[in-house]
Amino acid sequence: DTGVSQNPRHKITKRGQNVTFRCDPISEHNRLYWYRQTLGQGPEFLTYFQNEAQLEKSRLLSDRFSAERPKGSFSTLEIQRTEQGDSAMYLCASSFRTGREKLFFGSGTQLSVL
Amino acid sequence: AQSVTQPDIHITVSEGASLELRCNYSYGATPYLFWYVQSPGQGLQLLLKYFSGDTLVQGIKGFEAEFKRSQSSFNLRKPSVHWSDAAEYFCAVVISNFGNEKLTFGTGTRLTIIP
Repeated sequence: DTGVSQNPRHKITKRGQNVTFRCDPISEHNRLYWYRQTLGQGPEFLTYFQNEAQLEKSRLLSDRFSAERPKGSFSTLEIQRTEQGDSAMYLCASSFRTGREKLFFGSGTQLSVL
Repeated sequence: AQSVTQPDIHITVSEGASLELRCNYSYGATPYLFWYVQSPGQGLQLLLKYFSGDTLVQGIKGFEAEFKRSQSSFNLRKPSVHWSDAAEYFCAVVISNFGNEKLTFGTGTRLTIIP
């Protein structure tokens, strides 16, 4: 069990650029979640996958955000045409089967949009 | 709306003193409740969870929480805090929506420990 891995740890970009983050969950975990956390707030749910299927997407997620999990392994989160309001910590988590189980979180990717 | 509320944004406690962090939930059915801790530069770590049964649950690092349905609360406690307990604490509830279950977090309580 090597834990949930997220890359990069930090990303600085200019407004209008596209960025992509990667998450490698614990290998036997079927569920993968993306959350966003801003300063002084709790993590906000963005989307989750059961294997390769994206089962739910938050209304917070605009059309500029897209997530994939090809082959039910790693996942990517892409933000197109970044805005300053996208600056946040993006957290990935995984669990074995259901949403009621313990989530294992990665350390997150800190995005700064200038 | 189904949610969880943490009324205390920041709490300061002396090392060795007892601790109680408050959490209230709003959820129609039996909730699945969790406490997570986030230390600087670290990922969120599960402290404990409540699904059913005994309303007093024990967790890691000497923490415990008590589920009180009558008060819609799930407060976290520790009898004697250590300097290493300084962190951000999040209460969370699993919300089920047409079979899709997701963990919804409160806004967190930042714990500061003074010598």
